[in-house]
Amino acid sequence: DQQVKQNSPSLSVQEGRISILNCDYTNSMFDYFLWYKKYPAEGPTFLISISSIKDKNEDGRFTVFLNKSAKHLSLHIVPSQPGDSAVYFCAASGSGGSNYKLTFGKGTLLTVNP
Amino acid sequence: KAGVTQTPRYLIKTRGQQVTLSCSPISGHRSVSWYQQTPGQGLQFLFEYFSETQRNKGNFPGRFSGRQFSNSRSEMNVSTLELGDSALYLCASNLGGTGEETQYFGPGTRLLVL
Repeated sequence: DQQVKQNSPSLSVQEGRISILNCDYTNSMFDYFLWYKKYPAEGPTFLISISSIKDKNEDGRFTVFLNKSAKHLSLHIVPSQPGDSAVYFCAASGSGGSNYKLTFGKGTLLTVNP
Repeated sequence: KAGVTQTPRYLIKTRGQQVTLSCSPISGHRSVSWYQQTPGQGLQFLFEYFSETQRNKGNFPGRFSGRQFSNSRSEMNVSTLELGDSALYLCASNLGGTGEETQYFGPGTRLLVL
Protein backbone atom coordinates (compact mmCIF):
# COMPACT_ATOMS: atom_id res chain seq x y z
CA ASP A 1 0.00 0.00 0.00
CA GLN A 2 1.66 3.18 -1.23
CA GLN A 3 1.01 5.90 1.33
CA VAL A 4 2.72 8.65 -0.66
CA LYS A 5 2.06 8.82 -4.37
CA GLN A 6 3.60 10.85 -7.13
CA ASN A 7 1.43 9.98 -10.08
CA SER A 8 3.52 11.67 -12.75
CA PRO A 9 6.73 9.73 -13.42
CA SER A 10 8.04 12.57 -15.56
CA LEU A 11 7.47 16.23 -16.40
CA SER A 12 9.02 18.37 -19.10
CA VAL A 13 8.92 22.19 -19.04
CA GLN A 14 10.58 25.06 -20.84
CA GLU A 15 13.20 27.18 -19.15
CA GLY A 16 11.64 30.19 -17.47
CA ARG A 17 8.22 28.60 -17.10
CA ILE A 18 6.63 27.18 -13.96
CA SER A 19 7.15 23.56 -12.94
CA ILE A 20 4.42 22.02 -10.79
CA LEU A 21 5.10 18.68 -9.16
CA ASN A 22 2.28 16.92 -7.35
CA CYS A 23 2.07 14.49 -4.48
CA ASP A 24 -0.84 12.75 -2.76
CA TYR A 25 -0.86 10.92 0.55
CA THR A 26 -3.29 8.62 2.27
CA ASN A 27 -2.10 8.49 5.88
CA SER A 28 -3.83 11.19 7.94
CA MET A 29 -1.14 10.78 10.64
CA PHE A 30 1.42 12.45 8.39
CA ASP A 31 2.07 15.96 9.65
CA TYR A 32 5.37 16.99 8.11
CA PHE A 33 6.15 16.98 4.42
CA LEU A 34 9.38 17.46 2.54
CA TRP A 35 10.62 17.71 -1.00
CA TYR A 36 13.99 16.37 -2.03
CA LYS A 37 15.88 16.65 -5.29
CA LYS A 38 18.07 13.80 -6.44
CA TYR A 39 20.66 13.30 -9.13
CA PRO A 40 21.68 9.76 -10.18
CA ALA A 41 24.14 8.04 -7.86
CA GLU A 42 23.85 10.84 -5.28
CA GLY A 43 21.89 11.20 -2.08
CA PRO A 44 18.69 13.27 -2.00
CA THR A 45 19.19 16.97 -1.36
CA PHE A 46 16.64 18.70 0.86
CA LEU A 47 14.70 21.46 -0.89
CA ILE A 48 11.80 22.63 1.21
CA SER A 49 9.40 21.38 3.86
CA ILE A 50 6.00 22.23 5.26
CA SER A 51 4.26 21.49 8.51
CA SER A 52 0.64 20.43 8.56
CA ILE A 53 -0.26 23.62 10.44
CA LYS A 54 0.61 25.64 7.35
CA ASP A 55 -0.77 25.64 3.83
CA LYS A 56 2.14 27.34 2.09
CA ASN A 57 5.88 27.67 2.49
CA GLU A 58 8.14 29.64 0.22
CA ASP A 59 11.91 29.63 -0.25
CA GLY A 60 13.24 31.56 -3.21
CA ARG A 61 12.06 29.96 -6.42
CA PHE A 62 10.47 27.05 -4.55
CA THR A 63 7.00 27.10 -3.00
CA VAL A 64 5.22 24.14 -1.44
CA PHE A 65 1.45 24.13 -1.04
CA LEU A 66 -0.42 21.77 1.28
CA ASN A 67 -4.12 20.95 1.02
CA LYS A 68 -4.84 18.81 4.07
CA SER A 69 -8.48 18.14 3.24
CA ALA A 70 -7.46 16.74 -0.14
CA LYS A 71 -4.31 15.12 1.26
CA HIS A 72 -2.39 16.77 -1.54
CA LEU A 73 0.76 18.81 -1.78
CA SER A 74 2.54 20.42 -4.67
CA LEU A 75 5.92 21.95 -5.35
CA HIS A 76 6.09 25.00 -7.60
CA ILE A 77 9.39 26.05 -9.15
CA VAL A 78 9.36 29.52 -10.71
CA PRO A 79 11.17 30.23 -12.94
CA SER A 80 12.42 26.80 -13.92
CA GLN A 81 16.08 26.51 -14.87
CA PRO A 82 17.95 23.72 -16.72
CA GLY A 83 19.89 23.00 -13.51
CA ASP A 84 16.58 22.02 -11.88
CA SER A 85 16.48 18.90 -14.04
CA ALA A 86 16.53 15.99 -11.61
CA VAL A 87 14.25 13.51 -9.88
CA TYR A 88 12.05 15.12 -7.22
CA PHE A 89 10.81 13.08 -4.29
CA CYS A 90 7.97 13.95 -2.01
CA ALA A 91 8.33 12.56 1.53
CA ALA A 92 6.16 12.54 4.63
CA SER A 93 6.61 11.78 8.29
CA GLY A 94 4.16 11.27 11.11
CA SER A 95 3.93 12.31 14.70
CA GLY A 96 5.07 10.41 17.72
CA GLY A 97 7.17 7.31 17.35
CA SER A 98 7.29 7.42 13.58
CA ASN A 99 8.59 10.97 13.49
CA TYR A 100 11.92 9.99 12.00
CA LYS A 101 10.70 7.57 9.41
CA LEU A 102 10.27 9.22 6.05
CA THR A 103 7.84 7.64 3.60
CA PHE A 104 8.75 8.55 0.05
CA GLY A 105 6.88 8.75 -3.20
CA LYS A 106 8.39 7.06 -6.25
CA GLY A 107 9.64 10.37 -7.64
CA THR A 108 9.03 12.60 -10.66
CA LEU A 109 11.73 13.18 -13.24
CA LEU A 110 11.74 16.87 -14.12
CA THR A 111 13.40 17.94 -17.35
CA VAL A 112 13.81 21.66 -17.97
CA ASN A 113 14.56 22.37 -21.60
CA PRO A 114 16.68 25.42 -22.54
CA LYS B 1 29.86 22.11 8.62
CA ALA B 2 30.63 18.82 6.89
CA GLY B 3 27.72 16.82 5.54
CA VAL B 4 26.79 13.20 6.04
CA THR B 5 29.52 10.89 4.82
CA GLN B 6 29.22 7.27 3.82
CA THR B 7 31.87 4.65 3.13
CA PRO B 8 32.52 2.89 0.93
CA ARG B 9 30.85 4.56 -2.04
CA TYR B 10 30.81 1.41 -4.14
CA LEU B 11 30.90 -2.25 -3.23
CA ILE B 12 30.68 -5.51 -5.14
CA LYS B 13 29.87 -8.71 -3.26
CA THR B 14 28.70 -12.20 -4.14
CA ARG B 15 25.61 -14.01 -2.93
CA GLY B 16 25.92 -15.41 0.56
CA GLN B 17 28.53 -12.93 1.70
CA GLN B 18 27.94 -10.24 4.28
CA VAL B 19 28.62 -6.53 4.07
CA THR B 20 29.05 -3.62 6.47
CA LEU B 21 28.37 -0.04 5.47
CA SER B 22 29.38 2.99 7.49
CA CYS B 23 27.80 6.39 8.03
CA SER B 24 29.09 9.48 9.81
CA PRO B 25 26.34 12.01 10.56
CA ILE B 26 26.54 15.77 10.53
CA SER B 27 28.32 17.02 13.64
CA GLY B 28 25.81 17.42 16.48
CA HIS B 29 23.22 15.14 14.88
CA ARG B 30 22.26 12.23 17.09
CA SER B 31 19.74 10.43 14.90
CA VAL B 32 20.83 8.29 11.97
CA SER B 33 18.41 6.62 9.58
CA TRP B 34 19.07 4.14 6.79
CA TYR B 35 17.17 3.80 3.53
CA GLN B 36 17.36 1.44 0.59
CA GLN B 37 16.73 2.70 -2.93
CA THR B 38 15.93 0.29 -5.75
CA PRO B 39 14.38 1.01 -9.16
CA GLY B 40 11.31 -1.07 -8.38
CA GLN B 41 10.56 -0.12 -4.77
CA GLY B 42 11.93 3.40 -4.60
CA LEU B 43 13.28 4.72 -1.30
CA GLN B 44 12.37 2.53 1.64
CA PHE B 45 13.09 3.05 5.32
CA LEU B 46 15.26 0.42 6.97
CA PHE B 47 15.78 1.65 10.55
CA GLU B 48 16.66 4.62 12.70
CA TYR B 49 19.08 4.89 15.60
CA PHE B 50 19.25 7.48 18.34
CA SER B 51 21.63 7.43 21.29
CA GLU B 52 22.87 3.97 20.33
CA THR B 53 19.34 2.51 20.37
CA GLN B 54 17.19 1.42 17.49
CA ARG B 55 14.13 3.65 17.73
CA ASN B 56 12.26 2.83 14.53
CA LYS B 57 12.32 -0.12 12.17
CA GLY B 58 11.00 -0.70 8.67
CA ASN B 59 9.76 -3.89 7.06
CA PHE B 60 13.01 -5.60 6.18
CA PRO B 61 14.16 -9.12 7.12
CA GLY B 62 16.46 -9.74 10.05
CA ARG B 63 19.42 -10.06 7.68
CA PHE B 64 19.49 -6.28 7.78
CA SER B 65 20.83 -4.94 11.05
CA GLY B 66 22.55 -1.88 12.31
CA ARG B 67 24.14 -0.23 15.25
CA GLN B 68 25.16 3.20 16.45
CA PHE B 69 28.22 4.17 18.39
CA SER B 70 28.59 6.72 21.17
CA ASN B 71 29.90 9.31 18.68
CA SER B 72 26.64 8.85 16.67
CA ARG B 73 28.40 7.11 13.79
CA SER B 74 26.38 4.20 12.50
CA GLU B 75 26.98 0.96 10.66
CA MET B 76 24.57 -1.18 8.72
CA ASN B 77 25.16 -4.87 8.16
CA VAL B 78 23.55 -7.17 5.64
CA SER B 79 24.21 -10.88 6.08
CA THR B 80 23.72 -13.71 3.58
CA LEU B 81 23.47 -11.33 0.66
CA GLU B 82 20.90 -11.97 -2.04
CA LEU B 83 20.82 -10.63 -5.60
CA GLY B 84 17.84 -8.47 -4.65
CA ASP B 85 19.94 -6.62 -2.08
CA SER B 86 21.66 -4.77 -4.92
CA ALA B 87 20.70 -1.16 -4.28
CA LEU B 88 21.80 2.29 -3.27
CA TYR B 89 21.95 2.45 0.53
CA LEU B 90 21.43 5.91 1.93
CA CYS B 91 22.09 7.23 5.37
CA ALA B 92 20.43 10.35 6.75
CA SER B 93 20.95 12.29 9.94
CA ASN B 94 19.13 14.88 11.99
CA LEU B 95 19.24 16.28 15.49
CA GLY B 96 16.89 13.62 16.78
CA GLY B 97 14.84 15.76 19.10
CA THR B 98 11.08 15.97 19.16
CA GLY B 99 9.13 17.85 16.54
CA GLU B 100 9.69 18.31 12.88
CA GLU B 101 13.22 18.02 11.69
CA THR B 102 14.71 17.70 8.27
CA GLN B 103 16.76 14.63 7.48
CA TYR B 104 19.98 15.28 5.58
CA PHE B 105 21.26 12.52 3.33
CA GLY B 106 24.70 11.26 2.52
CA PRO B 107 25.82 10.35 -1.01
CA GLY B 108 24.99 6.67 -0.55
CA THR B 109 26.78 3.36 -0.96
CA ARG B 110 26.09 1.53 -4.20
CA LEU B 111 26.03 -2.22 -3.49
CA LEU B 112 26.10 -4.74 -6.30
CA VAL B 113 25.52 -8.40 -5.43
CA LEU B 114 26.63 -10.90 -8.05
